[in-house]
Formats: sequence, structure tokens, C-alpha cells
Amino acid sequence: ETGVTQSPTHLIKTRGQQVTLRCSSQSGHNTVSWYQQALGQGPQFIFQYYREEENGRGNFPPRFSGLQFPNYSSELNVNALELDDSALYLCASSGGTGAHNEQFFGPGTRLTVL
Amino acid sequence: QKEVEQDPGPLSVPEGAIVSLNCTYSNSAFQYFMWYRQYSRKGPELLMYTYSSGNKEDGRFTAQVDKSSKYISLFIRDSQPSDSATYLCAMSAVNFNKFYFGSGTKLNVKP
Repeated sequence: ETGVTQSPTHLIKTRGQQVTLRCSSQSGHNTVSWYQQALGQGPQFIFQYYREEENGRGNFPPRFSGLQFPNYSSELNVNALELDDSALYLCASSGGTGAHNEQFFGPGTRLTVL
Repeated sequence: QKEVEQDPGPLSVPEGAIVSLNCTYSNSAFQYFMWYRQYSRKGPELLMYTYSSGNKEDGRFTAQVDKSSKYISLFIRDSQPSDSATYLCAMSAVNFNKFYFGSGTKLNVKP
């Protein structure tokens, strides 16, 4: 069984740029959730995708958008990057052959905005 | 008011101690309560979850939920240095389309 993977591991961007982060869900899972974790804080829910549709969204502006593909992998896109977007971005997969509340997290992508 | 409140610690205990970690919440719609462990520079790892009120035990770990008080706890018995990590509580309603995390409690178990 393959776990949740994310790419890239680290990323440095400048303010105003756009970024795309990628996530491959665990085998058998059909739901992907994305989180932003600032240093010393807990993960903040960005949104969730279930069977290629956005299924829930946290308090993040529209410049945070996403996609889920037929194989249930997912992308997080952030436009017009701001300094405060610097954080660890985590994706978690769940559902399908697993329980919906049992989320399995990837290692994260550390984004630095200069 | 945040949906989930968690004391950030840090909490430092000697090896073998019983550790108590706690979270409070404000949303009565929460039905699922999860505890995660996160090592430095890693993604969170699910330890255990509880549905509604009650206790659940898994090895050295016990999770308790008191919905009347909107208060959840994680107890770690016979704590080990390898338990040193940040512990995060998380909650969701039954539709699972949004999860709320606490800010995490950093635990240090000294040999």
C-alpha cells in the first residue's frame, strides 16, 4: 500500500507569483483535504475534494484553488502569493476503502514566499 | 473565539510519567474527535479517534470525550522519550467535509 506523497518538498517563490502543489492520495482513498500549517500552529483547513468536486472549504480567499483528478490525486494552486502564505502545506487522504474521519497525511510541502 | 482550543505547552515530563493532554471546543456539532502526533518537520500521524462521548483505549493511549463539557483528553501512560512530539487534537461533524485542529501541545519526555 502506497502512502500519501507530496511534491515538491520545498519551494521558494516571490510575492505575487503563483504556485502549484501536488498530492497523490493513498491507494483506495477518494477524498483529499488540504491544510496550511504555519510555524508553531495547528493545521488550518483549506478545502476538501471528494470524487473530483470541492466538498468543503475553510476561511481561505479564492486565490487558493484546487483540483482533483480521476485517479484522486490533487493539486493546490495559490495565486498572487503573499508573505503570509509561507507555511507547510499538508494534504491528507481518506474515504473510499477507508473511514472518512481517518485522514492520512503526507509529509508536506514547505513554501517560502520572499 | 477559536473553534478548538489547545494549550501549546511545552510540557516536560520524566520518562514513565502519565501525560494528560486536553482540548476544548465550542461547536456542539462535532461528533468525531481525533488525536494526531506530529514529529518535527513531518506530517501528522493519526493516533486514535473517538465517536461521540466516552473512552477509547489503545495500548498506552486513552482518549476521553466529554461532550457535555465540550472537553477531550488524551492520556499517555508510561511515557517514553520516543513520545516526544507535538500532539494535535482534531474534530469534525458527521459529514467530514471540514476538520478543525487545535494548535498542538509540544511534549518532551526526558530520559
